[in-house]
Amino acid sequence: DTGVSQDPRHKITKRGQNVTFRCDPISEHNRLYWYRQTLGQGPEFLTYFQNEAQLEKSRLLSDRFSAERPKGSFSTLEIQRTEQGDSAMYLCASSLEEVYEQYFGPGTRLTVT
Amino acid sequence: EDKVVQSPLSLVVHEGDTVTLNCSYEVTNFRSLLWYKQEKKAPTFLFMLTSSGIEKKSGRLSSILDKKELFSILNITATQTGDSAVYLCVLYNNNDMRFGAGTRLTVKP
Repeated sequence: DTGVSQDPRHKITKRGQNVTFRCDPISEHNRLYWYRQTLGQGPEFLTYFQNEAQLEKSRLLSDRFSAERPKGSFSTLEIQRTEQGDSAMYLCASSLEEVYEQYFGPGTRLTVT
Repeated sequence: EDKVVQSPLSLVVHEGDTVTLNCSYEVTNFRSLLWYKQEKKAPTFLFMLTSSGIEKKSGRLSSILDKKELFSILNITATQTGDSAVYLCVLYNNNDMRFGAGTRLTVKP
């Protein structure tokens, strides 16, 4: 399978704990995006990388959120001190130079109890 | 504030029907309008529309953008149960993507 993969697919955590998600993009894609999707809403942009550089962050990405793409390949999204409002589906996508035609991974569903 | 409004929010049809999904927007400056189909988890790309009045087609799906009246439509003809999904309209400008809430289409056998 050469698509975008995400791990884990589901994560249940207690409020206050830290969680980390991983995204492996399509290998030749140099752009990688993170989105968050809550019930009834479309995916909301969080941040994106061009190779290893984080070029843009949404105002949705609070100080508790950090994303990295250290070698320009896979990326991690960490949420510190999780809150119940962080419960959502976290989607990763990758693309070539142009941002349209992104390829999405299956998502990580986070539930904060 | 920029807005992307999709209508209807949900739609139930029978196989063989033709549907039209609407997307209107109040976005002052954007590069393209994108349509995605979302089944279960991740959105899949359908169309990118940049120019007004030029219809794009892919099989039973077609879409067009009207930059003067600030809307786009997505048509699906001869619907099938596999068309059941949420259809997302997205405005894109320099890596800023504004998503609508989506239209949930259910196609019954």
